[in-house]
Order: sequence, then structure tokens, then C-alpha cells
Amino acid sequence: NAGVTQTPKFQVLKTGQSMTLQCAQDMNHNSMYWYRQDPGMGLRLIYYSASEGTTDKGEVPNGYNVSRLNKREFSLRLESAAPSQTSVYFCASSEKGQGTKRSNEQFFGPGTRLTVL
Amino acid sequence: GEDVEQSLFLSVREGDSSVINCTYTDSSSTYLYWYKQEPGAGLQLLTYIFSNMDMKQDQRLTVLLNKKDKHLSLRIADTQTGDSAIYFCAERGNTPLVFGKGTRLSVIA
Repeated sequence: NAGVTQTPKFQVLKTGQSMTLQCAQDMNHNSMYWYRQDPGMGLRLIYYSASEGTTDKGEVPNGYNVSRLNKREFSLRLESAAPSQTSVYFCASSEKGQGTKRSNEQFFGPGTRLTVL
Repeated sequence: GEDVEQSLFLSVREGDSSVINCTYTDSSSTYLYWYKQEPGAGLQLLTYIFSNMDMKQDQRLTVLLNKKDKHLSLRIADTQTGDSAIYFCAERGNTPLVFGKGTRLSVIA
């Protein structure tokens, strides 16, 4: 089991460029998440997908779009990158979404370090 | 909305115990988690506690939950240099996980 994988590991963009961050999980999880991590800000949820075919906004969705391509894959797109989107992006997955009595821990990928110049 | 607060830094000597504290606001939280992040890596679940428990022990880790005060703590016994990392508290209520800003633990040899 590879767990949660993310590509690319590093990326440098110029302001206004677009790119898609890829995430895949092989644990047959229903729910997937995208976070950004900034110094002193902790982890902030961008978007999540409780199940295949659904997506919902998190705390900081502006400037991003997501696609839940299938059960395994959840991509994050920056249409017109801005320097404020310089961050480390983490994808995570969990077995189920809300409404479950199980611990439902999230498993994280290794992150994508994005710099926007 | 929900909020999770942690102190940002903690420094301890190798062999001592570390105690990392967290407070949360969502009284409907069902599970509370501690995650560890080593430099350049993603988050890894250390342990979790169900909201109807007061304490959970797992080897060197002890989690204490005071539901009345909405206070969670993580105690690491016999702290080692390999425990140096950022520790995140997270709570699950009616929304996806809400994370604290993380406590950076530095272990002095």
C-alpha cells in the first residue's frame, strides 16, 4: 500500500500561471481533503469530498477548484496562481465522512511545496 | 465556528516528560486527535481519544481529556531527540477535522 500519494513534490510558478496538483489514495477511502499549511497558520481546509461525486468548500476555497475524478483521485487546480498561494499543500483521505461512529482518522500525503513568484 | 488553540513552542531536555496542551470550542466533538509532523513530511496520526473517555495511554504517550473545560493534553514520557517535531491537536465535530496551529517541540540533548 502506497497510502496517499501527491504529485508533484515541488513546483515553482509565475503569477497568473495555472496548474493542477494530483492526489491519489489506494486505501479505498470514501472521503478526501485538500489542506494548505502556512507558517504560524496551521492547516487550513481548502476543499473536501465526502464521497465520490461530491465536493464542498472548506475554510479557504477562493482561488482553487477541485475535481473528484473517481474514488481514488482528488485533484486541486489553481487557475491563475498568485503569490498568496505560496504554501505547502497536503492531500488527505479517510474511510468515511461525517456521521460515523468510527474514529475516521485522516491519512496524509507527503505534501507539495508550491512557490508562486 | 470551531476553534482549536495550542501554544506554539515547547522545549524540553532529553529524558524529561513533555506535556503539550490544547483547548477546543466545539462541545459536540466526538473524537480528538494528536498528529505528529516531522520536517519535510506530512502529518502522521499519533493517537486519538473518544469524547466519552478521560484518559488513553499508548506506550510513552498519555492523552488526557477534560471535557468540561474542553482541554486536551498529550504527555510524552522519556522524551527523545526523535520526538522533535510539530504536534497538532485536531477535533472532529459536525465538520471535517479542525486543526490547531501546531506546537513545535524541541528536545535538547
